[in-house]
Amino acid sequence: DTEVTQTPKHLVMGMTNKKSLKCEQHMGHRAMYWYKQKAKKPPELMFVYSYEKLSINESVPSRFSPECPNSSLLNLHLHALQPEDSALYLCASSRTGQGSTEAFFGQGTRLTVV
Amino acid sequence: AQTVTQSQPEMSVQEAETVTLSCTYDTSESDYYLFWYKQPPSRQMILVIRQEAYKQQNATENRFSVNFQKAAKSFSLKISDSQLGDAAMYFCAYGGTSYDKVIFGPGTSLSVIP
Repeated sequence: DTEVTQTPKHLVMGMTNKKSLKCEQHMGHRAMYWYKQKAKKPPELMFVYSYEKLSINESVPSRFSPECPNSSLLNLHLHALQPEDSALYLCASSRTGQGSTEAFFGQGTRLTVV
Repeated sequence: AQTVTQSQPEMSVQEAETVTLSCTYDTSESDYYLFWYKQPPSRQMILVIRQEAYKQQNATENRFSVNFQKAAKSFSLKISDSQLGDAAMYFCAYGGTSYDKVIFGPGTSLSVIP
């Protein structure tokens, strides 16, 4: 199994809503990532979890709150988002958190904030 | 700080022809890894090819090969016998050996003309 599964695939939420994005992998990878991607742009790193501990937070606003319940699961909790937060949110995992290892990406969640 | 540059925002190629995508990077590290990732319109990003900087031999994967010039800090991707399924955004990426994030270039949008 070389899949990273993200749910939901599409999400529309109002600026006062609370929602969560979910990501799951069963490859035994010890690093998991959240990226934000705008159209025709490269992914922007948001958070890195390594061995279930938050190791990198790229100065992301507190309205985005990551959670890693176990080594296979990664959540991104969303609250009071702004329209400019509309984007494709990608989850990825890699065997280790080192820059030398291949990242496996999920299909992403297309988020629209209205 | 490391940077990755892709000077061709868009490229096109005739089906069955060969195309080369350019990538340059800047780093002060001597050991690192370089990647080409492909993101088709269906969104899921996948690894195309990976190169270790300490290896002089250029990596190849079927129709995909790289021209790695370490002194020039250049890492181009050659796609031979282009197919319609090769149409995608291609991102060049840099990974250090330390516990760090991967740096993505701005991407090249490749169109394949039937």
